[in-house]
Amino acid sequence: EVLLLESGGGLVQPGGSLRLSCAASGFTFSNYAMSWVRQAPGKGLEWVSVISGSGGNTFYADSVRGRFTISRDYSKNTLYLQMNSLRVEDTAIYYCATKTAVYGSGSHFDFWGQGTLVTVSS
Amino acid sequence: QTVVTQEPSFSVSPGGTVTLTCGLNSGSVSTSYYPSWYQQTPGQAPRTLIYSTNTRSSGVPDRFSGSILGNKAALTITGAQADDESDYYCVLYMGSGTSMFGGGTKLTVL
Repeated sequence: EVLLLESGGGLVQPGGSLRLSCAASGFTFSNYAMSWVRQAPGKGLEWVSVISGSGGNTFYADSVRGRFTISRDYSKNTLYLQMNSLRVEDTAIYYCATKTAVYGSGSHFDFWGQGTLVTVSS
Repeated sequence: QTVVTQEPSFSVSPGGTVTLTCGLNSGSVSTSYYPSWYQQTPGQAPRTLIYSTNTRSSGVPDRFSGSILGNKAALTITGAQADDESDYYCVLYMGSGTSMFGGGTKLTVL
């Protein structure tokens, strides 16, 4: 059974930093791309970032590029999202999700975690 | 700026059929966008329904189907049930590793 467990959310002031983690189990971690998707309170879903199975390719939404960094640790089967220079508008539930591939066919989201809430407020 | 468009809301009667669509503010949606569909109930994580236009994810009942209708991707629910009342999101692959969500459709079954 695929399990994705996010952690690391919390309250942070504008301009602050936070690192989210997503512990993965039930599948071969290196065989799958991984992604972060967020949802602001009462709003729709927004794709944030993706990293390839090898970790060699990363992509970001315009709204977070230059502030957020996605990475993965194969020894811990864990996905990360380092979030710097946080803004009030980054407040959201952050979900991690598996993807069969980064590009084209297979680039859909397969399995989802339950999410972790990030609140940016003074 | 590219926007993925969805109906904000839709209503269907129990047992009825409804088709939700997913378009682009400029241009047509084709299979090359690998459209996918997700269901989300309040307080829950999304659930994958359809990918690559018309492939059902594991465990998804066959009353959910995907297609291209005209210049849009479409999700059709046949024989709607009460627990189909959810938010539905489409995603298009925009190239260069990037994906874009539509704004979502709130489906009411009544």
